[in-house]
Formats: sequence, C-alpha cells, structure tokens
Amino acid sequence: GDSVTQMEGPVTLSEEACLTINCTYTATGYPSLFWYVQYPGEGLQLLLKATKADDKGSNKGFEATYRKETTSFHLEKGSVQVSDSAVYFCALRNTGGFKTIFGAGTRLFVKA
Amino acid sequence: EAGVVQSPRYKIIEKKQPVAFWCNPISGHNTLYWYLQNLGQGPELLIRYENEEAVDDSQLPKDRFSAERLKGVDSTLKIQPAELGDSAVYLCASSKGGLAGGSDTQYFGPGTRLTVL
Repeated sequence: GDSVTQMEGPVTLSEEACLTINCTYTATGYPSLFWYVQYPGEGLQLLLKATKADDKGSNKGFEATYRKETTSFHLEKGSVQVSDSAVYFCALRNTGGFKTIFGAGTRLFVKA
Repeated sequence: EAGVVQSPRYKIIEKKQPVAFWCNPISGHNTLYWYLQNLGQGPELLIRYENEEAVDDSQLPKDRFSAERLKGVDSTLKIQPAELGDSAVYLCASSKGGLAGGSDTQYFGPGTRLTVL
C-alpha cells in the first residue's frame, strides 16, 4: 500500500542554520505531496504542497520539490528561526483518492 | 474565519468507561475527517464523512468506536468501552469536499488528548 517515510528526529539546529528534512514515498499512480507543520498545542497546518512531478511547493521560506525519479519530497529552508520549532509531517494523497497518508513526523528544535 | 473546533482538549478516564469527542468543522465544509494520532506517529484516518454520510469507515474499530454527523455539520466520535491502548490524540479535520487528489485542503483542529488509566 501507499506509504511515507521521513527522517527520524529530533533535529536540533541553531538559528540561521540550513534545514533539510528528508521524505520519500511509495505510491501507485501519481500522488499529490504535502508538508504539514504542527506547532505546540495546535492542530496540523498545511505548509506547502505539490501536485505533479517537478513542481516546487513553497511557503514561509520553506521549499520542497516533487521528484518522481527518486520518489522524494524533501523539505528545505535556508535559514531557520526559533519560531520554526515544530513537528513536520510529510504526506501524500493519491490522484482520485480522498485518503491522506502521513509520515511519522520529524520534530525540529531551533536554538537561539 | 473560525477554524475547526474540538472539545474537550484533554480527557482522562478509567478503562472500560465511555468517552465522547466533539468536532465543529469550518462553516461550509462538507467533508469531515476523524484521525487517530499515536505518540510519535502521523495521523491515521478513522472515518470520513461527506455531509452526513460516512463514506469511508474502513479503519474504524466498529466493536467499540462509533461516530455520527447529524445534519452534516457537527460530529461526535465515541468510544465504549475505552481500553488502555486507546490513549492517543484524536484529530478532527474538515475540507470543502468534492475534490479528490491534492485539490482539497484539509484544516485540522487542535485535537483531543485522551488518557485511559
């Protein structure tokens, strides 16, 4: 079945460091790919998405590119802030499907 | 615009007791989801409603879990009786609905954290 694998956390970075959180997927067909963020005490929020191969999703300085050849959707940010500390979830939803499959989440800590 | 509202935020019960969670979706959203999130895991779908109809309840443990969405707006998820393994966060989400794939953005509530003792 469809699945999402993302790097284990926690990831601890200093402010202004570069961030990469790896995400790979297994799916039949051509899924849409998502990154969600969960801040402490809050619900999941959609951070960015890409709906077809080579698309780049971006938001709040975060980017991820849909790579079909490597079945990957890695999350990147050039300079993290303390306020980026949260749990990040990679997810997929297959074309014609209504079910979203989530990865296990990666916790990010950013130190001042 | 108000987001998805869930209550209670926290619930502690003894095993074998019943428990219920309530969700009020974003106004105008036809699709409502209940997810289970275990510690250190991503959310897993329990049930999806399109208006008042449960269109996907294949992952709902029907021996002890039930859900309803009367009038296609608010929804209630119930567990009776609760077991120790039910301790988790129960998330509700809603979306405008009617669109498959990546076109339909889900909005999540803050969740209800259940602890079963």
